[in-house]
Amino acid sequence: SQTIHQWPATLVQPVGSPLSLECTVEGTSNPNLYWYRQAAGRGLQLLFYSVGIGQISSEVPQNLSASRPQDRQFILSSKKLLLSDSGFYLCAWSVRGDQPQHFGDGTRLSIL
Amino acid sequence: EDQVTQSPEALRLQEGESSSLNCSYTVSGLRGLFWYRQDPGKGPEFLFTLYSAGEEKEKERLKATLTKKESFLHITAPKPEDSATYLCAVTGGGNKLTFGTGTQLKVEL
Repeated sequence: SQTIHQWPATLVQPVGSPLSLECTVEGTSNPNLYWYRQAAGRGLQLLFYSVGIGQISSEVPQNLSASRPQDRQFILSSKKLLLSDSGFYLCAWSVRGDQPQHFGDGTRLSIL
Repeated sequence: EDQVTQSPEALRLQEGESSSLNCSYTVSGLRGLFWYRQDPGKGPEFLFTLYSAGEEKEKERLKATLTKKESFLHITAPKPEDSATYLCAVTGGGNKLTFGTGTQLKVEL
C-alpha cells in the first residue's frame, strides 16, 4: 500500500531564516505531488504541484519554492522566512490530477 | 474559476441526531467531487469520490450524494468519534483540486 511521510511535524523558526520541508511517498511510481498551506479556519491553498521529476508548477507568487529531485520526493524551501509564512503545511500525492489526493500529517510552522 | 462553498461552517449535534452537510460547487465540466475528514492537527483523510449526478457512496454512518450543483454528506446517528472538520473538493480536470473551507462538526453525548 502507499504511504506518505512528511517531516518535521512541528517547526519554530526565526524571521529571516531558511526553510526546508520534506515529503516522500512510498508504494507508487510517478505520482502527482502537491504542497498546500492551511490557515486557521480557512481552506487549503495550493502552493505548488508537480507531475514529474523537475517539473514544478507554482500557484501563488510568494517567498517559497519547491523542488522534486527524485520521483517520490518533494521539497518546500525558502531562503528567508517571513512572519506571514506561518501556517500548517501539507503534502499530498495522487495517481493523476482527477483522482483523490492523499495527505501527509502536515508540518506546523511558527515564525518568531 | 472553480468554486466550492460549504455550509454550515459549524454544526453541533447530539449523539444519534442525524443531519446533512452541504457542498455547493461551480466547475466547468465536473471530473470528480471528493469528501475528506480532517481531525485537528492532522492532514485530511479521503472519504469518497463522486463522479456524476445521482451517484451515492456510503461508509459506516456516512453517505455522500451528488447533484449537478451540490453534494450532501449525510450523517446517520452520529457518534462523538465522528467529530471532525469535513472538507469538500472538486476538479474539472487538470491537476488541481479546489477545496471548500469545511464544516466543523461536533457530536456531543
